[in-house]
Amino acid sequence: NAGVTQTPKFRVLKTGQSMTLLCAQDMNHEYMYWYRQDPGMGLRLIHYSVGEGTTAKGEVPDGYNVSRLKKQNFLLGLESAAPSQTSVYFCASSYSWGNEQFFGPGTRLTVL
Amino acid sequence: DQQVKQNSPSLSVQEGRISILNCDYTNSMFDYFLWYKKYPAEGPTFLISISSIKDKNEDGRFTVFLNKSAKHLSLHIVPSQPGDSAVYFCAASPYPNTGNQFYFGTGTSLTVIP
Repeated sequence: NAGVTQTPKFRVLKTGQSMTLLCAQDMNHEYMYWYRQDPGMGLRLIHYSVGEGTTAKGEVPDGYNVSRLKKQNFLLGLESAAPSQTSVYFCASSYSWGNEQFFGPGTRLTVL
Repeated sequence: DQQVKQNSPSLSVQEGRISILNCDYTNSMFDYFLWYKKYPAEGPTFLISISSIKDKNEDGRFTVFLNKSAKHLSLHIVPSQPGDSAVYFCAASPYPNTGNQFYFGTGTSLTVIP
């Protein structure tokens, strides 16, 4: 099992460009999450999904969109990147409520 | 506003000694707590959890203590080993929590000196 994988690992964007981060899990988990990690801020939840076809906002959803068309995939989109979105992005998944989350290796995004 | 706080950004401990990492929270609705460990360039990995109905949970060298009245939890690592050097995050989950959302602290970087 690969667990949770993220594509790409690194990306540099210019302000205003768009991109999509892909998260895939092979554990048949229902719940999936996108976090960002910034210095001194810990991990903050951007959006999450409790099942295929569902999405919901987390703590810091502005400037991001997500889609969960397939159970195993969770996409995070930036329509018009801003320097404030420079961060490390982590995807995670969990079986259901009350279970620990399994994290991917992260994507380091720099917006110039 | 940070609901889960780890006030010590870093901690250094000699190999074989005890490491104590602390975490405080403000939301009285939090009832499930986890500790994650993170190595550089990797995602966090689950370490140990505790429910609010308990005040202690052990797993090998790792023990988590919960003091609900003080809204405080701590992770004890005994004995500490060089491989324990990592960033440790505590996380808390409120009840009810249909989305299984967790709120993370800012992390404590532990260095175990051989």
